[in-house]
Amino acid sequence: GENVEQHPSTLSVQEGDSAVIKCTYSDSASNYFPWYKQELGKRPQLIIDIRSNVGEKKDQRIAVTLNKTAKHFSLHITETQPEDSAVYFCAASATNRDDKIIFGKGTRLHILP
Amino acid sequence: GAVVSQHPSRVICKSGTSVKIECRSLDFQATTMFWYRQFPKQSLMLMATSNEGSKATYEQGVEKDKFLINHASLTLSTLTVTSAHPEDSSFYICSARLLGLAGGLEGTQYFGPGTRLLVL
Repeated sequence: GENVEQHPSTLSVQEGDSAVIKCTYSDSASNYFPWYKQELGKRPQLIIDIRSNVGEKKDQRIAVTLNKTAKHFSLHITETQPEDSAVYFCAASATNRDDKIIFGKGTRLHILP
Repeated sequence: GAVVSQHPSRVICKSGTSVKIECRSLDFQATTMFWYRQFPKQSLMLMATSNEGSKATYEQGVEKDKFLINHASLTLSTLTVTSAHPEDSSFYICSARLLGLAGGLEGTQYFGPGTRLLVL
């Protein structure tokens, strides 16, 4: 089955700086890669996603990149703000097979004042 | 946007009792729903795939007789934790996939708000 690795587990960045979270996946059938932000006690919120026919996607301060050959994908947050502090999860799914979303272990992002 | 609700949001029960958690898609139909469990400071672990009108598919290591799943309609899936024990205390979250999505939206899932279970 799919295995998603995520690094780092904790990340502290100065407000205004950029944050990068990296993930790898194992199943070449995976074609959908969502990123979720989860605040304490709340449900995961989809913040951006990318599909295997695209190498990069951007939405304001958030961007994702995907390297299918290397099975790597990354989340980039620029101009970080205090409200960006949360736990971020990458995930992978094979939408033309079973739609199961397999999550990485998460990255706790701290934005320092 | 699509809304998924869960009930109850929080439940405390005694060891040995059973607890039922409902997951509803409020404004769309979902042939498939997913159940996850999340322990404190850990990731979401997929427990099972709930299929409307058929048996659920459980992930390896998840006891199907302990975690009973019923998906009786296109908008409701239930998870029953039978004979709950303290180690079952966790945050249970469901998600639902929109039926018939296409045009670049395949696979998009919407998560419920979660149910926090505490077994004493």
